[in-house]
Amino acid sequence: LAKTTQPISMDSYEGQEVNITCSHNNIATNDYITWYQQFPSQGPRFIIQGYKTKVTNEVASLFIPADRKSSTLSLPRVSLSDTAVYYCLVGDTTGGGNKLTFGTGTQLKVEL
Amino acid sequence: NAGVTQTPKFQVLKTGQSMTLQCAQDMNHNSMYWYRQDPGMGLRLIYYSASEGTTDKGEVPNGYNVSRLNKREFSLRLESAAPSQTSVYFCASREQGGSSPLHFGNGTRLTVT
Repeated sequence: LAKTTQPISMDSYEGQEVNITCSHNNIATNDYITWYQQFPSQGPRFIIQGYKTKVTNEVASLFIPADRKSSTLSLPRVSLSDTAVYYCLVGDTTGGGNKLTFGTGTQLKVEL
Repeated sequence: NAGVTQTPKFQVLKTGQSMTLQCAQDMNHNSMYWYRQDPGMGLRLIYYSASEGTTDKGEVPNGYNVSRLNKREFSLRLESAAPSQTSVYFCASREQGGSSPLHFGNGTRLTVT
């Protein structure tokens, strides 16, 4: 299973765009990349998922280069409510790919 | 639609006591998971069940047992609690395999004194 590496923490201000990069050098051909957001005292929740190139939804964008060894979560115009821990998870899609382990995550702090 | 429900929300145990954490999901998911999260740390996988009738060890299985009671329910048992097991425990579920994301419960906060 591919391991992931993320920055431990990031700081930003309201209204700025935030980009969090995750490194997954050993990603396998069938692996998808999924990002989760976790607020204090809550379980993580799904934000976005992708396999290659770019994916966008109402919350975020996910950029994946051609070699897929990294991915970048982009949060446009963050607000105070985006202060949370963000996890990148790489899990394979083959039949045995159910052992899903998280990395350390990135603590994003948004200030006024 | 309740999603993933965990009980209890809070529990205090004395060292050596036993207890079972309950988890149920109503999304008809095949796979279920137990994670623990220590203060200021990430999530660590304890056990998982890829499908009804199967269970497998995760990263930190020592001191725990699990039971996949049926498709809906996946319980985690501490036979003899230790202070090192003080943590927040999260249950999650998803469709088996594929790219389907995890759906988490709100956690059980366990303190062992």
